[in-house]
Amino acid sequence: SYELTQPPSVSVSPGQTARITCSGDSLPKKYASWYLQRSGQAPVLVIYEDNKRPSGIPERFSGSSSGTLATLTISGARVGDEGDYYCYSTDSSANHGVFGGGTKLTVL
Amino acid sequence: QVQLVQSGAELKAPGASVKVSCQASGYTFISHYIHWVRQAPGRGLEWMGIINPNGGSTAYAQKFQGRVTVTRDTSTRTVYMELNSLRSEDTAVYYCARERGDGGSPPGAWGQGTLVIVSS
Repeated sequence: SYELTQPPSVSVSPGQTARITCSGDSLPKKYASWYLQRSGQAPVLVIYEDNKRPSGIPERFSGSSSGTLATLTISGARVGDEGDYYCYSTDSSANHGVFGGGTKLTVL
Repeated sequence: QVQLVQSGAELKAPGASVKVSCQASGYTFISHYIHWVRQAPGRGLEWMGIINPNGGSTAYAQKFQGRVTVTRDTSTRTVYMELNSLRSEDTAVYYCARERGDGGSPPGAWGQGTLVIVSS
């Protein structure tokens, strides 16, 4: 079955740039989306179609995709940005959804 | 605004079935697909399946094929997810989520989640 691979954790100091990667064989053909899940809450969409921000998401969140790698970048990370980040995409055949394993972002 | 309200927590015995509901409001119900996603305690998000409320066509993750059924009732703007032959590994929070755009786009707005506990 199709898999998306993320690093388990990323740690940065406040104000630094955090980058979270997501690797998948179908990413050259399929869009990536990114979600932030804070503890005990439902996920929130922060990036869709590789690099688009939903309304209400701060400009410090940006996305990019090149080849089999999608990247979420948080510029000037804040303590409030901490949580688990998940990438999402679809497989190339049946358009079934798949989430990456998640990356825990720590800002301290 | 888009709102998805899910049914309450459930405690089920192994081997039983559970049916979770998700009532939508704030948009044209048949115009947007609904995803189902689950999260076991301490684990990541897991995509289960999707339904097109306009016609009722569905697609399921291979892992759940034959064990999950997603249906909809357009008169009450409600989507249902039924999971059969429950085992302890199915203990999780189950979320419904409306697609962000159309045509099967990624989850956008999420329900509050429904905790399902499978235990004897």
